[in-house]
Formats: sequence, C-alpha cells, structure tokens
Amino acid sequence: DAKTTQPNSMESNEEEPVHLPCNHSTISGTDYIHWYRQLPSQGPEYVIHGLTSNVNNRMASLAIAEDRKSSTLILHRATLRDAAVYYCILRGGSNYKLTFGKGTLLTVNP
Amino acid sequence: DTGVSQDPRHKITKRGQNVTFRCDPISEHNRLYWYRQTLGQGPEFLTYFQNEAQLEKSRLLSDRFSAERPKGSFSTLEIQRTEQGDSAMYLCASSLAGPGTEAFFGQGTRLTVV
Repeated sequence: DAKTTQPNSMESNEEEPVHLPCNHSTISGTDYIHWYRQLPSQGPEYVIHGLTSNVNNRMASLAIAEDRKSSTLILHRATLRDAAVYYCILRGGSNYKLTFGKGTLLTVNP
Repeated sequence: DTGVSQDPRHKITKRGQNVTFRCDPISEHNRLYWYRQTLGQGPEFLTYFQNEAQLEKSRLLSDRFSAERPKGSFSTLEIQRTEQGDSAMYLCASSLAGPGTEAFFGQGTRLTVV
C-alpha cells in the first residue's frame, strides 16, 4: 500500500486559514489522493479527493503538486468544529481500500 | 438514504462470548468495507465485499472473525469467543467501486470485552 506522511499535530486560530500538508512520494499514476477527517467518537468523514488537478468543494480545497508527490488540504476559515484528526490517504490498486495512517490532529483555538 | 448505519452503537460483552455487528450501507453502493480502530490509532482494514463476494481479508482477521454480506445488501461481522484484545471501535464503510469515489463511514460499534 502506498504510504503518506503527515505531521502529527497542527494548531490554528479560529477564522484563519489552515494548510495541512501530506507527502506521498511513492504515489502511482492511478492513485487518487483522498482526505478524511474524524471527530472524537465518530466515524471518518469524507472531505475531498483529487487525481491531478486542484479541487474545491464546500468544505475545503485540495492543492496537488505538479509531480503529485505531495498535496495540501486547505481549510479557508477554520472553525471550532473543524478540530479533528485529518487523514491523507491514497486510494487505488484493485481493492480501492483506504489505508489510514495516524493523521494530523488539528487543534483550533478560539 | 440516511447514510451508512451500524448497529449496535455500543456492545459490552464478557470474554468468551460471541458478538455480531450489523452494517447497512448506502443502497446503491456495491463496495462494503470493515475496519477496526483502537484508541489513538487510525482505522485498520479488516475485509471488504464487492456485492456479496468477500474479496479480501486482512491478516488481522483471525479465524474467530467472520463477515458476510448476503444478497449484497447489509453485512454482518461476527466475533466468536471474544478476547479482551478485541475491544475496539468497529467501523463499516461503503462506496461505489473505483478509486475516485467517496467512501462513507458509519458511526461505528464500540465493543468492550470485560
């Protein structure tokens, strides 16, 4: 399974932008980059995904490096409800399973 | 459709007892995945189904674990002769086939073996 590397934790202030980095140097050409987040005592929640181009949705933006070896999840204005563990995952292969690492624990300060 | 639902949300059982968990995926999703999560760790893959066929099982899935998805609809995960090490959150996810599709997770079943 292709691996990703994320910082263990990050901190942000409310209403400020947050940039969560992810390295995936062994990504294959058919792997999609997915981001999920998990609040305490809840199941993971889909955030965004992309293949090569940058992507935007109502929750976040995903910026993908030209060589696809890294990506950044951008929360444009962090709220207290964005405090969660964020997982960067490569989805591909034949089974399309999501292989989770430890993720980045995002703390949002009021 | 109300998303992926799991039942029960919490289960406390005595060591040695059998337990069964149920997952109802989003109706049009042909892929169903089971994960296990312990405190402080990310979810770990256990097994997945394409419709009713179980296509892959992790080495984490010992002989005491069995999963089914009859008729490609809901799925059950049974643990026989539970051990304290089985205490964890068991998560179910469903999606369409393909790496560029979203997976939706249930809220999980928290198992405590005493």
